[in-house]
Amino acid sequence: KAGVTQTPRYLIKTRGQQVTLSCSPISGHRSVSWYQQTPGQGLQFLFEYFSETQRNKGNFPGRFSGRQFSNSRSEMNVSTLELGDSALYLCASSPVGSSHQGYGYTFGSGTRLTVV
Amino acid sequence: AQTVTQSQPEMSVQEAETVTLSCTYDTSESDYYLFWYKQPPSRQMILVIRQEAYKQQNATENRFSVNFQKAAKSFSLKISDSQLGDAAMYFCAYGTLNAGNMLTFGGGTRLMVKP
Repeated sequence: KAGVTQTPRYLIKTRGQQVTLSCSPISGHRSVSWYQQTPGQGLQFLFEYFSETQRNKGNFPGRFSGRQFSNSRSEMNVSTLELGDSALYLCASSPVGSSHQGYGYTFGSGTRLTVV
Repeated sequence: AQTVTQSQPEMSVQEAETVTLSCTYDTSESDYYLFWYKQPPSRQMILVIRQEAYKQQNATENRFSVNFQKAAKSFSLKISDSQLGDAAMYFCAYGTLNAGNMLTFGGGTRLMVKP
């Protein structure tokens, strides 16, 4: 069974640019969540998508957005990049349903974004 | 808001010995889930063990076990017979059904294993 796939693995962007990161969940997992990981702030929840709808959103500015497609693949977009957006962005997928309560996540290997 | 605290930024253990990583959390919920994740240098977070709050029995997975104290809101991870491959960052995480699949993570503990 393939794991959670995130592309690209590394990305260097310039301040002011925008970036799109991609995540393919485990087959059959319909929930996709995104986290930002930095040395200073740790792991912070960005948003969760389920059935192409945003179900939860963390405390991030509107420059951070995402979407989910009908095949459960998800993308996140950051517009007008700032130096502070440099981070490891982790995607995680999870099955949904009463039989999967408390399942937790399967994570991808992340996309390391550097803003210069 | 729920918070998760890992008070040990760094721990070290001798190979084959036992080490315990601490985690405390704050919540007003009665039904929730707790997790320990491992993040090696490869960056991928790996689920080590999970615990349902309604279960009194402590979860175990091979060399990994937890000490779940619900009243004290404490959830420590014990690693027995430590191996070099156990060296990684370990994160404690909390989740509830009310928050969908959102997890709140602690700040992490870096575990070093000495040969």
